Amino acid sequence: SAVISQKPSRDICQRGTSLTIQCQVDSQVTMMFWYRQQPGQSLTLIATANQGSEATYESGFVIDKFPISRPNLTFSTLTVSNMSPEDSSIYLCSVVEGPGANVLTFGAGSRLTVL
Amino acid sequence: AQRVTQPEKLLSVFKGAPVELKCNYSYSGSPELFWYVQYSRQRLQLLLRHISRESIKGFTADLNKGETSFHLKKPFAQEEDSAMYYCALRNGDKIIFGKGTRLHILP
Repeated sequence: SAVISQKPSRDICQRGTSLTIQCQVDSQVTMMFWYRQQPGQSLTLIATANQGSEATYESGFVIDKFPISRPNLTFSTLTVSNMSPEDSSIYLCSVVEGPGANVLTFGAGSRLTVL
Repeated sequence: AQRVTQPEKLLSVFKGAPVELKCNYSYSGSPELFWYVQYSRQRLQLLLRHISRESIKGFTADLNKGETSFHLKKPFAQEEDSAMYYCALRNGDKIIFGKGTRLHILP
């Protein structure tokens, strides 16, 4: 299965700053997703990262707050902009693999703490 | 609206006892359901999916369309089963998750 590397693994940030999380996959994948995992909450899909075009955002998430890039089939970035303590969370990159392309493989996650 | 509900936040079970993690879903159409697991300090990973009708690490899950459920079961719990378990539903190209149940196996 695909190996996903996420950077940074964790960071502590000041309110009002922005942080970019990188996701590198060791093989070309069709679909890449960004999820948020808040303490005690479910995994929430932020957006689908589309190669060569704008990401598709889920309800409640907007491009200005979470700009996403996907320049090729193996790499994507998620930026958390103008951070507030409510953005403290684990951000997960995931890709679809498997027969019928319906099984998710996850990165290790990026734990973000906003002070 | 498509939704996955896991009613239990925490489930504590004695080693050797049966385990049942509940999952109910709301979906118009023919659902594709999964169980994902996250062991301590490990990545979230697929445990099983209903279309495979497989048993992984002794766990099974049967899709019950009448009750819109996909409960995860294991007849005899082991200490290494302690983990966070997420039920998930495919919705088009996306997969949506329940809130998860933490399974704690007591010695």
